[in-house]
Amino acid sequence: LAKTTQPISMDSYEGQEVNITCSHNNIATNDYITWYQQFPSQGPRFIIQGYKTKVTNEVASLFIPADRKSSTLSLPRVSLSDTAVYYCLVGEYSGYALNFGKGTSLLVTP
Amino acid sequence: EAQVTQNPRYLITVTGKKLTVTCSQNMNHEYMSWYRQDPGLGLRQIYYSMNVEVTDKGDVPEGYKVSRKEKRNFPLILESPSPNQTSLYFCASSEGSGNTIYFGEGSWLTVV
Repeated sequence: LAKTTQPISMDSYEGQEVNITCSHNNIATNDYITWYQQFPSQGPRFIIQGYKTKVTNEVASLFIPADRKSSTLSLPRVSLSDTAVYYCLVGEYSGYALNFGKGTSLLVTP
Repeated sequence: EAQVTQNPRYLITVTGKKLTVTCSQNMNHEYMSWYRQDPGLGLRQIYYSMNVEVTDKGDVPEGYKVSRKEKRNFPLILESPSPNQTSLYFCASSEGSGNTIYFGEGSWLTVV
């Protein structure tokens, strides 16, 4: 499974756009890139998944450059409730042998 | 409603007293796994299962056992708990390759 590197923490003000970048230099051809969000004392929940280019849903956008060695999760106009830990996962199989790592702790303040 | 259910949610136990944390999913998922979460260490996988009777070690399996006799259940067994197993535990399930992982609400375990 591809090793991922993402910032330990980020701070933002309400209403700003937040971009969290994840590096995955040894991503394999069949690997998907998936992001999860975790609130304190809750299990992580799926945010978005992509393979290449750009994916957008009602919560976030995911930008993946052509070489796929990194990806950027974009959260538009964050609110206080977006304060959470965000995990970047890279792998073909989502059900097993997964390392969530420490994620990126995002703090949104007024 | 699709869900992963863990029990107990909170437990305080003593060193050496065997305990089991149950996990059940109602989505007919093939893949199930257990994680523990500790401050500063993130989510670490303990064991995972690809199907009934198929289990394998994750990153931190020492001190734990699992079984997968039925597709919906994946209990985590601590034969002789120790204080370093005090943690927040999550069970998760997934349909398979590239699919969303669903997590339970977590089980707070304290070993004194």
